[in-house]
Amino acid sequence: DTAVSQTPKYLVTQMGNDKSIKCEQNLGHDTMYWYKQDSKKFLKIMFSYNNKELIINETVPNRFSPKSPDKAHLNLHINSLELGDSAVYFCASSPEDGRSYEQYFGPGTRLTVT
Amino acid sequence: SQQGEEDPQALSIQEGENATMNCSYKTSINNLQWYRQNSGRGLVHLILIRSNEREKHSGRLRVTLDTSKKSSSLLITASRAADTASYFCATDAGGSYIPTFGRGTSLIVHP
Repeated sequence: DTAVSQTPKYLVTQMGNDKSIKCEQNLGHDTMYWYKQDSKKFLKIMFSYNNKELIINETVPNRFSPKSPDKAHLNLHINSLELGDSAVYFCASSPEDGRSYEQYFGPGTRLTVT
Repeated sequence: SQQGEEDPQALSIQEGENATMNCSYKTSINNLQWYRQNSGRGLVHLILIRSNEREKHSGRLRVTLDTSKKSSSLLITASRAADTASYFCATDAGGSYIPTFGRGTSLIVHP
């Protein structure tokens, strides 16, 4: 069984469109994340949710809005897509054991904005 | 920034050789983790080493941590073509246990 899944795997769209990426984890973890990986492989955290509540919101444009309907899901909605949004977006989850946060990553969604 | 920096950026070796990658960071940490990313895939956790530990092993992987030098190394012994991937270190510090990733070392192992 896939631990952290994302859909779609590839997303090609035009500037100005609105799109969503879905993420689900079946690990029972309390914390979920969205990361953006650029063309140079730099991985930057965007959002972190704990039990459906936002705990981290890094400097991300307001066009990006995460939504967590329950603690197993963390979706990412992007409005008015721009060329610079092209990247690979990773969802991840981690257990909250109070000492460390080993991350479990999804397979990624490659977003191409044309 | 607590971001770790991996060195070298790229490493190319022959199958059977050992591969060593380094990670340096700027401030005191709680934990340091190493991850592997195969092309087109998500990151996979390899090893976590705590700030009070100096060395950990997992199969062919050996991680060391030198807090006085603020650096860590990942050694892969007897490398295989399947080890070809990017390797990232990630550190967490202070009250936040959420890791911050470096830019990775790209390892190519030639058969």
